[in-house]
Amino acid sequence: NAGVTQTPKFRILKIGQSMTLQCAQDMNHNYMYWYRQDPGMGLKLIYYSVGAGITDKGEVPNGYNVSRSTTEDFPLRLELAAPSQTSVYFCASSLRHNTYNEQFFGPGTRLTVL
Amino acid sequence: KQEVTQIPAALSVPEGENLVLNCSFTDSAIYNLQWFRQDPGKGLTSLLLIQSSQREQTSGRLNASLDKSSGRSTLYIAASQPGDSATYLCAVRDSSASKIIFGSGTRLSIRP
Repeated sequence: NAGVTQTPKFRILKIGQSMTLQCAQDMNHNYMYWYRQDPGMGLKLIYYSVGAGITDKGEVPNGYNVSRSTTEDFPLRLELAAPSQTSVYFCASSLRHNTYNEQFFGPGTRLTVL
Repeated sequence: KQEVTQIPAALSVPEGENLVLNCSFTDSAIYNLQWFRQDPGKGLTSLLLIQSSQREQTSGRLNASLDKSSGRSTLYIAASQPGDSATYLCAVRDSSASKIIFGSGTRLSIRP
């Protein structure tokens, strides 16, 4: 299994541009998550999904959109990039929502908005 | 609202020492707590997962404990090595939803 994969690894955007961060997992996990990590900080949840067709907001959803048309893919879209969105973005997945299952993380996408 | 705190933010110890990293959370109604390791510029690697019904989990030189009633978890690292240098994050899956809340991490440096 490849686990959780993310593309691209790095990206520089200009203010107002849009882009989609890709995330895929091949573990047949129900739950998928998008986090952002600012320098020296922990991870903040942007959006999450409990299954195909279902998404919900996390702590910091403003400026982002997600979709979950398949179990495997969970793309994150930035419509109008702002400097405040400069961060490292991590995608994660877990099998189901119960006490036993841990999260698995992708390698991250480092985004800079200038 | 669940909040997770990790103190200290940074720790530097000489090689060979045993050490303890702390994690506290405000809402004791959690499903589980997970400890991660993050190397600079890298993603997160899961170290230990403690279920809400458990008191501790062990993996090699690592031991994590959980005291739900007091809202605390500790990660014990025995006989520390320079390769243990990294940022250690704890995260709780709270009972309200599928959300997982992270602490801001402890940056650990082991001096040779």
